[in-house]
Amino acid sequence: GAVVSQHPSRVICKSGTSVKIECRSLDFQATTMFWYRQFPKQSLMLMATSNEGSKATYEQGVEKDKFLINHASLTLSTLTVTSAHPEDSSFYICSARELAGVSTDTQYFGPGTRLTVL
Amino acid sequence: AQSVAQPEDQVNVAEGNPLTVKCTYSVSGNPYLFWYVQYPNRGLQFLLKYITGDNLVKGSYGFEAEFNKSQTSFHLKKPSALVSDSALYFCAVRDYNQGGKLIFGQGTELSVKP
Repeated sequence: GAVVSQHPSRVICKSGTSVKIECRSLDFQATTMFWYRQFPKQSLMLMATSNEGSKATYEQGVEKDKFLINHASLTLSTLTVTSAHPEDSSFYICSARELAGVSTDTQYFGPGTRLTVL
Repeated sequence: AQSVAQPEDQVNVAEGNPLTVKCTYSVSGNPYLFWYVQYPNRGLQFLLKYITGDNLVKGSYGFEAEFNKSQTSFHLKKPSALVSDSALYFCAVRDYNQGGKLIFGQGTELSVKP
């Protein structure tokens, strides 16, 4: 099956610093990638939809200046948490959708990144 | 708006017994439905999907799901549960009116005891 990787898997940083998380589709091309945030024992909250070569679409309530998304190629999207604060601590998961088509294709998820802001 | 509901926060099953994880949906038009599983501190793994065709969909790890249009349900099933099936299960529907993003249920924690 299709594989999506995320790096790093775990990061601890000080308050005020910025953290970059990479999401890669390893064996397929993805025109669209999604970034989610998940709190313990809860469902996934979609933060933004990232389309290759264009600006990301953010969900309501998500600060685009704080969560910078770049989708530079068909296999790589990055999420940068700028000026991180303890309330940004969470599990961040990306997913990638195959090029096959919007209506029937499947989203494949990365393993997630655990961010802890001290 | 498209939505899915998983009415049970937790399902407990003895190993070897059949398991069912429930999901109901509300969509306008034809539903595209998915099941994912999440192990602790991991991302989601795709199990199966229903787009069209047979109502009984077979997926990974021996799981299957039955699409029932009249009851607007898409319950996940397995004939014989394993302890290793213990995980968090998510049902999702594609919202093709909003760029095809997935709408997730709240998740059901499955616990299989020996």
